[in-house]
Amino acid sequence: QQQVKQSPQSLIVQKGGISIINCAYENTAFDYFPWYQQFPGKGPALLIAIRPDVSEKKEGRFTISFNKSAKQFSLHIMDSQPGDSATYFCAASKGDNYGQNFVFGPGTRLSVLP
Amino acid sequence: EAQVTQNPRYLITVTGKKLTVTCSQNMNHEYMSWYRQDPGLGLRQIYYSMNVEVTDKGDVPEGYKVSRKEKRNFPLILESPSPNQTSLYFCASSSYGQGGYSPLHFGNGTRLTVT
Repeated sequence: QQQVKQSPQSLIVQKGGISIINCAYENTAFDYFPWYQQFPGKGPALLIAIRPDVSEKKEGRFTISFNKSAKQFSLHIMDSQPGDSATYFCAASKGDNYGQNFVFGPGTRLSVLP
Repeated sequence: EAQVTQNPRYLITVTGKKLTVTCSQNMNHEYMSWYRQDPGLGLRQIYYSMNVEVTDKGDVPEGYKVSRKEKRNFPLILESPSPNQTSLYFCASSSYGQGGYSPLHFGNGTRLTVT
């Protein structure tokens, strides 16, 4: 019920290509879906987030697509760059829960080849 | 610079030897939390605090203690560490500007090895 599944575990993309990472959740009470980006030796940092009242959110080269009926959401990185090489975590939570008990996916290690 | 500071960055210890990992934030955030990161498991919440003197268990609290005596500090205490607590630990903080939708700000992590 609380699990967030994430795939693929690792991803290799050529510079300029599109990177796609998929996540699926089970708990229909979740209403906040952030993506965090983590570089080696650093803590995760919020990249982009979406709430289920919209099906898509775009910020620069990063887009979240959200499918409420399928309980799935995905991160698309357009024109991927070597600087995007990092580990990406999807997460889910109930926004009205001030405990902010995020459930994180296991992470996807993205490598963008120059 | 707004940041969450954890110390130490690396720690090697032996089973049963009490240790404390410190966490401090300079953003005047009410909310602070500890996570552990393990391969294939993502980040799992250990404990969190919604304000001074208010703490609560996360998903994996066994073997850990926390305290919140000051708003800026939230130390993680392992009173009798065991090898299964070998992990990468992150402290995070958040304001309530957007309620539960507020972003988490993470420190740079503490890699703990218990032998």
